[in-house]
Amino acid sequence: GEDVEQSLFLSVREGDSSVINCTYTDSSSTYLYWYKQEPGAGLQLLTYIFSNMDMKQDQRLTVLLNKKDKHLSLRIADTQTGDSAIYFCAVDNDYKLSFGAGTTVTVRA
Amino acid sequence: EAGVTQFPSHSVIEKGQTVTLRCDPISGHDNLYWYRRVMGKEIKFLLHFVKESKQDESGMPNNRFLAERTGGTYSTLKVQPAELEDSGVYFCASSHRGLRDGYTFGSGTRLTVV
Repeated sequence: GEDVEQSLFLSVREGDSSVINCTYTDSSSTYLYWYKQEPGAGLQLLTYIFSNMDMKQDQRLTVLLNKKDKHLSLRIADTQTGDSAIYFCAVDNDYKLSFGAGTTVTVRA
Repeated sequence: EAGVTQFPSHSVIEKGQTVTLRCDPISGHDNLYWYRRVMGKEIKFLLHFVKESKQDESGMPNNRFLAERTGGTYSTLKVQPAELEDSGVYFCASSHRGLRDGYTFGSGTRLTVV
């Protein structure tokens, strides 16, 4: 099956940029996603990127995809306290999502 | 438009008991999925319905788990009998037919087996 790896923790100062990294093994994935889970809440789709794209920008979010290295990253500009959450990388394989274990982002003042 | 609704939000049961989780997808979404996150690990796929049919149940851990989607609307996931290792958060998601970029997840049911 698909393996998706991401670092477990990230601590960032308010106002700085956050970069969350993810690697995956299946090169046939068509869609790659970033989900956010705030405490006590469900999974919220933040953004996604098609596999034929290298970059996608959406307000404070920038997604970079390196297909050769099977590496996906999410950059959050001007990180705010409301960005504290668990961020999951997920890749699509025939209608089935494979998730990483989640990166817990802590924003400190 | 109402989102994906799951209940209960929390359930605490004793080992050996039965629990039934329910998911109401977004109206009109043919695809319904169950996922599970155990003990802070990755979220794992359990199964996928297309309308009332099981399209893929390769992620179901064992025969103690039974999922149904009668009539192609809401779905239930029954665990019988529950074991300690079944504890975790069970997520349901739905998507419209053909739109793989449109998965919407529910808030999840946190199941604790003691």
